[in-house]
Order: sequence, then C-alpha cells, then structure tokens
Amino acid sequence: GQNIDQPTEMTATEGAIVQINCTYQTSGFNGLFWYQQHAGEAPTFLSYNVLDGLEEKGRFSSFLSRSKGYSYLLLKELQMKDSASYLCAVIDSNYQLIWGAGTKLIIKP
Amino acid sequence: NAGVTQTPKFRVLKTGQSMTLLCAQDMNHEYMYWYRQDPGMGLRLIHYSVGEGTTAKGEVPDGYNVSRLNKREFSLRLESAAPSQTSVYFCASSYSTSGSNEQFFGPGTRLTVL
Repeated sequence: GQNIDQPTEMTATEGAIVQINCTYQTSGFNGLFWYQQHAGEAPTFLSYNVLDGLEEKGRFSSFLSRSKGYSYLLLKELQMKDSASYLCAVIDSNYQLIWGAGTKLIIKP
Repeated sequence: NAGVTQTPKFRVLKTGQSMTLLCAQDMNHEYMYWYRQDPGMGLRLIHYSVGEGTTAKGEVPDGYNVSRLNKREFSLRLESAAPSQTSVYFCASSYSTSGSNEQFFGPGTRLTVL
C-alpha cells in the first residue's frame, strides 16, 4: 500500500525555527508537494521538490531525499500566522497525488 | 480572476436526501478533482476528470457521481446521503498532473448528514 507519515501535531515558539518531517512509501515517485492549510480554509501551495536537495523560498525551505523516501519543511522566524496544518503530498507512478494526514503546527508567543 | 469556486459553502441533509455540489474554475485547467477531508485523515480523492466529457474513479468513489459539464465546471452528486458522508468537500483543478503543476483548491463545502 501507499503511505505518507507526518507528525500529527507540533508546537513551536514565535520567532523560532521548526522542521516538519514527511516520510513516504509510494509506488513510484514523480515529485513531492507541501501545502499549507489554515483552519477552515482550503489548502494552498507552498513548495515542490522533485530532485534531491533543498529548495528555499523566503522563510520556508523544503528538502527532499528520494533514496530515503524523506522530506522536510523548514519554517524560520516563525510568526503567529504560521499556525496552520502542513500537508505533504507525493505524486506516484500513475501521476496520482497521495496525501499525508497533515501536521498541525501551533505557534505560541 | 476568481480561481476555483464552490457552491454551497454549508449544507445539512437528512439521511436519504440528495444534493449536488458545484465547482467552477476560470484558469482553463484540464484536470479537476473532488476530495473529501475528514479529521485525522489526508485528503481522499473521490473522482476526477482529465478533460471535458471524461471522469474517473478515485480512492473513495462509492456513493458519489460526478459530471464534467464543460471545461470550467465539475459537479459532485450524492444520490442518497448517509451519515458517513459527513465531511468537508474540496474541489481542485490543475493544468496537468506532472511536474510542478500544483492543484488549486476551492473554499470547500461543509456537509453534515443527520
């Protein structure tokens, strides 16, 4: 079966750095997305990785290791507005998007 | 440019009632999707469409029917609602399924079946 694992919930402090991990076992791999979803809202695109390494976009960075089936999302200089769920999703060999259950990130002042 | 729109935003049904959820996108996307999202679970694909006049089953298609009315619009119908279909339903669209073509999501429909 196909599986994506993320921590259910994480807590961090405003101004700090947090790393949200995602491990996957899928039938094939054609890319990995990270989405942000605020409570009661729709998911919105954050990043895309298809090659190994780090992609940086402002305060957010995403890392991929295909050999380890592993990705992480790194959020720096945390702000209260970063309180949200972060969804990891993998494109499998059939070009279907497989979604993790998401990590709820709580930011404390 | 409205992106992806969905109607209605909220609905309460009784068991056995029917309803249709409507989705429209103005980004000229070929691909459209219907998902459901339940607490503690990832987004689960119900049905999808790879172009006008086409539909295909996703991971959890039972109890749902879809129609790709035209390139812009994709509807989801519950013929006889059940409490297990209480969920948040999201419509999404994308240019393609390959590469960095992300999916754009509508605001969601919160459905409760009593």
